[in-house]
Amino acid sequence: AQTVTQSQPEMSVQEAETVTLSCTYDTSESDYYLFWYKQPPSRQMILVIRQEAYKQQNATENRFSVNFQKAAKSFSLKISDSQLGDAAMYFCAYRRGYNTDKLIFGTGTRLQVFP
Amino acid sequence: DAGVIQSPRHEVTEMGQEVTLRCKPISGHNSLFWYRQTMMRGLELLIYFNNNVPIDDSGMPEDRFSAKMPNASFSTLKIQPSEPRDSAVYFCASTLGTGYGYTFGSGTRLTVV
Repeated sequence: AQTVTQSQPEMSVQEAETVTLSCTYDTSESDYYLFWYKQPPSRQMILVIRQEAYKQQNATENRFSVNFQKAAKSFSLKISDSQLGDAAMYFCAYRRGYNTDKLIFGTGTRLQVFP
Repeated sequence: DAGVIQSPRHEVTEMGQEVTLRCKPISGHNSLFWYRQTMMRGLELLIYFNNNVPIDDSGMPEDRFSAKMPNASFSTLKIQPSEPRDSAVYFCASTLGTGYGYTFGSGTRLTVV
């Protein structure tokens, strides 16, 4: 069965600094997708970034980028120029690549941003 | 588009009562998912539908839980009878399909007293 592990329950960063959140996953599939979701106190789940496993190039969305290491089954999220509004729970998620399938979530990392 | 719409946003009910949660997916999305979020268990999938057909309901806790999707624009999750351990935030999400992201609703916070 596929699993997603986030080993950092909490992280903190100074405003304008860079922080990296870790995620590892376990799968025997070769075709899959990986996601990072943000959940602020409003509890809304917001898609931050998505990576297709068959793409070697790391995905980037403005200040958010990933370091996707397929062989190591690692998918970390880097937030550059951190802002107070980045404070939230961040969830890593995995989905098989064929058909439409469920998202499997990690346990989340709570990010605090200090001014 | 208004996004995925869930109702109610909050629900407080007494143990033993029936609870119905509602979800309207984004128009055109052909897959719908129900998730439950608790501090102890995190985000766990309860059930999902493709083209209104239930595909995987292995996450439904027990017979007290049931879900339906009578048409492409509406789904319900029913708990009967409700118990205090059902207290959680219930999310509905939809997607266009393979290769697309999942859009979540705002969730329903259920409290069973």
